[in-house]
Amino acid sequence: DIQMTQSPSSLSASVGDRVTITCRASRSISSHLNWYQQKPGKAPKLLIYAASSLRSGVPSRFSGSGFGTDFTLSISSLQSEDFATYYCQQSSATPETFGQGTKVEIK
Amino acid sequence: EVQLVESGGGLVKPGGSLRLSCTASGLTLSAYTMNWVRQAPGRGLAWVSSISPGSSYKYYPDSLRGRFTISRDDAKNSMYLLMNSLRADDTAVYYCARSYDFWTTSVYYAMDVWGQGTTVTVSS
Repeated sequence: DIQMTQSPSSLSASVGDRVTITCRASRSISSHLNWYQQKPGKAPKLLIYAASSLRSGVPSRFSGSGFGTDFTLSISSLQSEDFATYYCQQSSATPETFGQGTKVEIK
Repeated sequence: EVQLVESGGGLVKPGGSLRLSCTASGLTLSAYTMNWVRQAPGRGLAWVSSISPGSSYKYYPDSLRGRFTISRDDAKNSMYLLMNSLRADDTAVYYCARSYDFWTTSVYYAMDVWGQGTTVTVSS
């Protein structure tokens, strides 16, 4: 199975900050990397697919990059509604594994 | 409105069985690979199972194969997960989600529509 490792596990930030979350795959997954946002008690929401493609309707302050084994999710200017947990997921091979999550909290 | 609705969760004793359902409205499931993903209390997301269009392929992680069975009924626009020999560590919120084919330079799959989840609690 492909292991997905996110860092950090949590971070504290203020509104307006730039935030970067990293995700590393245990072997190359090309660009088969997705990012999801989850708020407490809610289902995950797809933000980015194919490592860097922004899903329609997702604010442009979100961006993704990377290829192979190393990926990043960036939020250019954190908004209050962005405080949530973020998960990466590889769709290169079954089982489609998720990272352990990064909780973005208010500083 | 595009919607997936899960049902069938509840409290079950260890060793028991439960059948979860996922019914779609506003979209037709038959053309898509469908998935079950679970989340144990306070934990992250874990993929549980996938079923391809026409039920040609069914996938499970090694840890669940033999206990869980995924199926679909396209006439009812629904998907199911039969869970047997349930254990305490199966306690989780179970989500159904659609896999969508996104085309850029190639085809990429992502879970773009999710249900609200149904809670399964395994306890004596």
